[in-house]
Formats: sequence, structure tokens, C-alpha cells
Amino acid sequence: QVQLQESGPGLVKPSETLSLTCTVSGASINNYYWNWVRQPPGKGLEWIGYVYYSGTINYNPSLKSRVTISVDTSNNQFSLRLNSVTAADTAVYYCARRRRIPAAGDAFDIWGQGTAVTVSS
Amino acid sequence: AIQMTQSPSSLSASVGDRVTITCRASQGIRNDLGWYQQKPGKAPKLLISAASSLQSGVPSRFSGSGSGTDFTLTISSLQPEDFATYYCVQDYNYPLTFGQGTKLEIK
Repeated sequence: QVQLQESGPGLVKPSETLSLTCTVSGASINNYYWNWVRQPPGKGLEWIGYVYYSGTINYNPSLKSRVTISVDTSNNQFSLRLNSVTAADTAVYYCARRRRIPAAGDAFDIWGQGTAVTVSS
Repeated sequence: AIQMTQSPSSLSASVGDRVTITCRASQGIRNDLGWYQQKPGKAPKLLISAASSLQSGVPSRFSGSGSGTDFTLTISSLQPEDFATYYCVQDYNYPLTFGQGTKLEIK
């Protein structure tokens, strides 16, 4: 079955860049929207943005100036970079597939397990 | 950005109870709404898309309704595995926005 797996450092220093990769297995990365969603400790979910397999991107305006999401179709991966991080960026970061469900709209149907990132010196 | 407001923020109920969670959008979003269940330490799980379409494999005790600005998620008879946090999310336009969550606890 389709699986997503996040990877990257669990600790990032303030003002540096957070970099995460999501590896897709069990399916091609083509023809879907690949998203990042984060969840600060004890809080709710925040959509960060997506990359389409073709490279089209869409970011949350609240993070747009600091975020880059890219896709590597040859390795079936997509990545998140968030620069100039602060303690407010401490969160569990999830990658998720978003697709059109026939006759049932769009939805995040597959999620990674999440990876915890702490911003601290 | 469209704001999504869930109520209540937390809810205590017993096994077998019928519970309803409400999600209100700050503007009309047609039926472009999903519901997700999240258990501690786990990723969210899709329950319902397009306001009322039950995802394959999700028990039929879950149902969703609504359109425009007001939506509900109903669990007809709570089971022990249903105690979790529930989130709505609008996908009418970008940025996608989630409700703040409703934590369903055992009474």
C-alpha cells in the first residue's frame, strides 16, 4: 500500500533552516498533490503548502516568505525547507497526499507518521 | 483566509452515546469540507470528505452533513476506539484551514 515517510533533523537552531524530506513508497508521485501540514505541541493542525508532481506550488500566506516545497520525481520524494526558524516553528511535521476522491471531493487520504522538530539552541 | 470554528472544544461522553460536533465556516464553502480523526501520537485519519461522503473502511456510525457555513459530524453510538480529537478542514479555497479541534473524552 501507499506509504509516506518523513525524514530530517529533529533539532534545528533558531534562525537556521528546517529541511525535511518525504519519501513516497507503493505508488508513483505523479498525478497527486503532495502537502506538508504541521502541528505545534498540544495545538491544532496548520496547512503549510503543496507541490504538484509537475512542480506547481501553493503556500500558506502565513509562511510564504520562508517556505519552499519541491518535488523530486526521479526519487519519488518531495521536500520542505523553512528558513529563519524560531521556537514558534517547533511542531510535528506531517507529509500528506491530497487527491480527488471520485464523487467525494478532495481530501488528505494518506499521511506520514509525522516527525517532531524542535527549534532550540 | 477562511476561519473554521469547531464546537465544542471538548466533550465528555459515554460508550453508546450519540454525539455531534459542529464546524462553522466564516464564509460559504459549498460542501468543501472534510473531517479527520486524530489519536494521540498518530497522524490524522480521513473520515469524511465533501461534507458527507464516508471514506472507505470508516464505520457507518460516523456521518457528516451540512453545506454553506454550517456542518456537523455525528457519531451515532460511541465506541471505545472513537475517543480522539476531531478536526474539520475546508478545501473551498487556499489556504486550506482547519478547525481548532474537538477532543472527545470518556465520561
